[in-house]
Amino acid sequence: EAGVVQSPRYKIIEKKQPVAFWCNPISGHNTLYWYLQNLGQGPELLIRYENEEAVDDSQLPKDRFSAERLKGVDSTLKIQPAELGDSAVYLCASSLGTGKEETQYFGPGTRLLVL
Amino acid sequence: AQKITQTQPGMFVQEKEAVTLDCTYDTSDPSYGLFWYKQPSSGEMIFLIYQGSYDQQNATEGRYSLNFQKARKSANLVISASQLGDSAMYFCAMRGAGAAGNKLTFGGGTRVLVKP
Repeated sequence: EAGVVQSPRYKIIEKKQPVAFWCNPISGHNTLYWYLQNLGQGPELLIRYENEEAVDDSQLPKDRFSAERLKGVDSTLKIQPAELGDSAVYLCASSLGTGKEETQYFGPGTRLLVL
Repeated sequence: AQKITQTQPGMFVQEKEAVTLDCTYDTSDPSYGLFWYKQPSSGEMIFLIYQGSYDQQNATEGRYSLNFQKARKSANLVISASQLGDSAMYFCAMRGAGAAGNKLTFGGGTRVLVKP
């Protein structure tokens, strides 16, 4: 079974430019998450989707970040415009459901460097 | 609010020896789940083991076992017979059962380096 797929794996952009990340979750997983991981720290949740609905986006900086999950499968996370402080790893994860015992499976992440 | 604390930023372990990674947590939820993930240099978070707050026995998965002490709010990971491929960052995480606790809260991680 294929795992969570993310692209691109690496992205280098200049500040003020837009950038987008794509995620394809494990087949059949209704819940999708985007996490931000700064260097030397644990991941922090940005947004959680249940099917196509964003049910927790309280940590998403909505002035510059946006996300969508059309048709409840693939998802895209966008930053516009990017700032130097956005340099980090952006991880996508998916799970079957949202119970406390549900394991989240992560993709390889996108490493973003903003110059 | 949920909080995970990993007090060991890094540690060395000799190949074939066991290592214990500390994790303490704080939550007001009576029902919660505890997870350990491994993150090698490639970046992917790999799920290792899960412990439910009401589970009577400590979880085990191959060379990984979880030393769960509920009263002390600790969930230490034990890796037995360390291998060179175990060198990575290890994260402890918690998930509550309530709506506000549906997200995974991660600790700061422990870097393990296995010496040959």
